[in-house]
Amino acid sequence: DTGVSQDPRHKITKRGQNVTFRCDPISEHNRLYWYRQTLGQGPEFLTYFQNEAQLEKSRLLSDRFSAERPKGSFSTLEIQRTEQGDSAMYLCASTRTGLSSYEQYFGPGTRLTVT
Amino acid sequence: AQTVTQSQPEMSVQEAETVTLSCTYDTSESDYYLFWYKQPPSRQMILVIRQEAYKQQNATENRFSVNFQKAAKSFSLKISDSQLGDAAMYFCAWHTNAGKSTFGDGTTLTVKP
Repeated sequence: DTGVSQDPRHKITKRGQNVTFRCDPISEHNRLYWYRQTLGQGPEFLTYFQNEAQLEKSRLLSDRFSAERPKGSFSTLEIQRTEQGDSAMYLCASTRTGLSSYEQYFGPGTRLTVT
Repeated sequence: AQTVTQSQPEMSVQEAETVTLSCTYDTSESDYYLFWYKQPPSRQMILVIRQEAYKQQNATENRFSVNFQKAAKSFSLKISDSQLGDAAMYFCAWHTNAGKSTFGDGTTLTVKP
């Protein structure tokens, strides 16, 4: 169990550019979540996958955001035409159905700064 | 609305003393689980304690315990014998079997030596 990893840890981009983040969950975990966290706030749900299927997507997620989990393992989150309001920490978490309580294991996050 | 409310943005406790962090929630789900997570400064989120909503008995993990009042939709965290390493932001959350997940906005806990 190597834990949830995210890459990159930090990303600085100019407004209007596209960015892509990667998350590698714990290997036997079939559920993967993406959250956005701004300073002093709690994680805000963006989307989640069970295996390769994207089962729920927040209404807050604009069309500029897209996520994939093509083989049910790692996942990518892409933000197109970034805006300054996208600056935040993007967290990934994973869990496994069948666990007694569905606790989530979090990665270290990717901090995005849009200039 | 499916929400989690933490009414104390900041709390402070003296080392070795006890502190209680409050959390109320609202959900229409019948099968859910409640959690307290800890996020130390610049470090990743980790689980502190979990509670299955169908269980009446309050969960306990060493110095951490909860007071779960299902009818009132209240889920507070008590930290006994507070240590300097307990300083962090604490988040209350609920998750469901179906995959839904909601977090509160957190309580920043300061531990004074």
